[in-house]
Amino acid sequence: TQLLEQSPQFLSIQEGENLTVYCNSSSVFSSLQWYRQEPGEGPVLLVTVVTGGEVKKLKRLTFQFGDARKDSSLHITAAQPGDTGLYLCAGGTGNQFYFGTGTSLTVIP
Amino acid sequence: EAQVTQNPRYLITVTGKKLTVTCSQNMNHEYMSWYRQDPGLGLRQIYYSMNVEVTDKGDVPEGYKVSRKEKRNFPLILESPSPNQTSLYFCASRASWGNEQFFGPGTRLTVL
Repeated sequence: TQLLEQSPQFLSIQEGENLTVYCNSSSVFSSLQWYRQEPGEGPVLLVTVVTGGEVKKLKRLTFQFGDARKDSSLHITAAQPGDTGLYLCAGGTGNQFYFGTGTSLTVIP
Repeated sequence: EAQVTQNPRYLITVTGKKLTVTCSQNMNHEYMSWYRQDPGLGLRQIYYSMNVEVTDKGDVPEGYKVSRKEKRNFPLILESPSPNQTSLYFCASRASWGNEQFFGPGTRLTVL
């Protein structure tokens, strides 16, 4: 059962461009997290959002949690090669966590 | 340094040969979890543990066992591995009061 769908699956952009990654679900989550994973490593947490409609900013990254707490987006402004990686959203319901399929981002210098 | 360690990092084995992947954390976290990561499917939770001697099934528990005899350790056991268990496995831990999961470096398992 894939509770969280991410789009796009792959994204290749030029340095300096903006992009948005989406994470959608038909389920309501008590919290939603975004992780970044680099090759050969485990995922590393970027942000957690818990309130419907919440917006969080982390330097050039802006995260938004949908009003109904079913979906989220990640917007990157002026992407840099260091942003390259696999971006994963994860929804928590109690003690279980469900991860999205991931968005593989490549930023070309 | 706060970390989650897994061993081995790479393992090639044959069908039916029992194996154990170890996971250890030094952050005194109550919650630990095992995931497998497969192309196109993302990370799927296998088992999780809320504390010592408390474990529960995740999304894909079939073919796996776990134990939590000590707070810091959470081994994953494959009693009779099969080729469909070839995957990248991650152990994670978090504090009971927090949302952030800390992941280990991963174990790449190939079952022939």
